[in-house]
Amino acid sequence: ETGVTQTPRHLVMGMTNKKSLKCEQHLGHNAMYWYKQSAKKPLELMFVYSLEERVENNSVPSRFSPECPNSSHLFLHLHTLQPEDSALYLCASSQDLWATGNGYTFGSGTRLTVV
Amino acid sequence: DAKTTQPPSMDCAEGRAANLPCNHSTISGNEYVYWYRQIHSQGPQYIIHGLKNNETNEMASLIITEDRKSSTLILPHATLRDTAVYYCIVRLPNNAGNMLTFGGGTRLMVKP
Repeated sequence: ETGVTQTPRHLVMGMTNKKSLKCEQHLGHNAMYWYKQSAKKPLELMFVYSLEERVENNSVPSRFSPECPNSSHLFLHLHTLQPEDSALYLCASSQDLWATGNGYTFGSGTRLTVV
Repeated sequence: DAKTTQPPSMDCAEGRAANLPCNHSTISGNEYVYWYRQIHSQGPQYIIHGLKNNETNEMASLIITEDRKSSTLILPHATLRDTAVYYCIVRLPNNAGNMLTFGGGTRLMVKP
């Protein structure tokens, strides 16, 4: 366990479903991130939050909607997804956006399959 | 952030040292070299980082050349559990706009 917990670990959803991914950290970090890892592709940064404020959105389609209600929790709300959105979704946190020292701590990810 | 170049894959015999190279010829003076690894279907794990001096921790050693244009991650006694994708990332940590960006990495296969 890294200190960053993601649930669920696996999720299968239909294209018309609405689901949410959850990320929780109790490391006292102030920055949280969503990454997407598709098969045989590098990790892609999706969203960045600092002190519960979104600071970066890397041209992610609106069918992905992040939410950061407090510095310990990060959600990714999913709706009307496409099969090509199937991927490993990773959450990470860091002390702050500068992320000096040990950098980022990642969760184990949610393996999402869209059918 | 400076770009890095890593071999796509490497093999290593169990118990031997694994030496993973990384080229970062455009690195700037204040950029650090970070290494992460990702075991299959898990999130990346921080290994080590350095600026110009060689670094060692319980996981690995990092050797950075004097001109800082390349570095080598050394796993001194590789085990089967070290099989993973290893990412070399160059980043300026004092710039809040520089997020951690991953390339293709090196897929290390440790064989019995």
